[in-house]
Amino acid sequence: NAGVTQTPKFQVLKTGQSMTLQCAQDMNHEYMSWYRQDPGMGLRLIHYSVGAGITDQGEVPNGYNVSRSTTEDFPLRLLSAAPSQTSVYFCASKNSAGGDQPQHFGDGTRLSIL
Amino acid sequence: AQSVTQLDSHVSVSEGTPVLLRCNYSSSYSPSLFWYVQHPNKGLQLLLKYTSAATLVKGINGFEAEFKKSETSFHLTKPSAHMSDAAEYFCVVSERSSASKIIFGSGTRLSIRP
Repeated sequence: NAGVTQTPKFQVLKTGQSMTLQCAQDMNHEYMSWYRQDPGMGLRLIHYSVGAGITDQGEVPNGYNVSRSTTEDFPLRLLSAAPSQTSVYFCASKNSAGGDQPQHFGDGTRLSIL
Repeated sequence: AQSVTQLDSHVSVSEGTPVLLRCNYSSSYSPSLFWYVQHPNKGLQLLLKYTSAATLVKGINGFEAEFKKSETSFHLTKPSAHMSDAAEYFCVVSERSSASKIIFGSGTRLSIRP
């Protein structure tokens, strides 16, 4: 059971480039989410999805797009990378959208924007 | 509105001594509370959760936490620290009925001295 798988693990981009961070889960979870982790700030919610075909914005959505065409996959797209988007990105999933459900996290993508 | 404050950014203890990581929260609703652990270059792993059942919650690896509504606290404890406990710990508060109202604390780095 792989859980939540994120690719790539590391990436360096130039300002203005675009890229897609991949996230896949094999637990048949309805809810998936993306966070960014910055030093001293904990994790902040970027976008989330409560099921295939449904996405919504979190706390810090600007500069990012998501889609959810299948239950398993939830890619995060950076449209035009900026140095402020240098961060560690985590994808997470849980069984349902309720706030009482714990989340399962991937190992993260470390992204540097030059 | 919700917020969570981890009172110590860094805690250092000797191996075999007790661990106390402090977390205070505020919430307009009855919250769910979680503690997660993050080892270097890894994703977050659930230690324990409180969701309105017993106020003393036992988790993995000998950790436990007590929900104290009157003090709005959810401190994490362990009777005897082990070298493998060295990691970053996050306290998380979420609204049970919401898919997006989830707040992470800024984290506490736990160091273990031999």
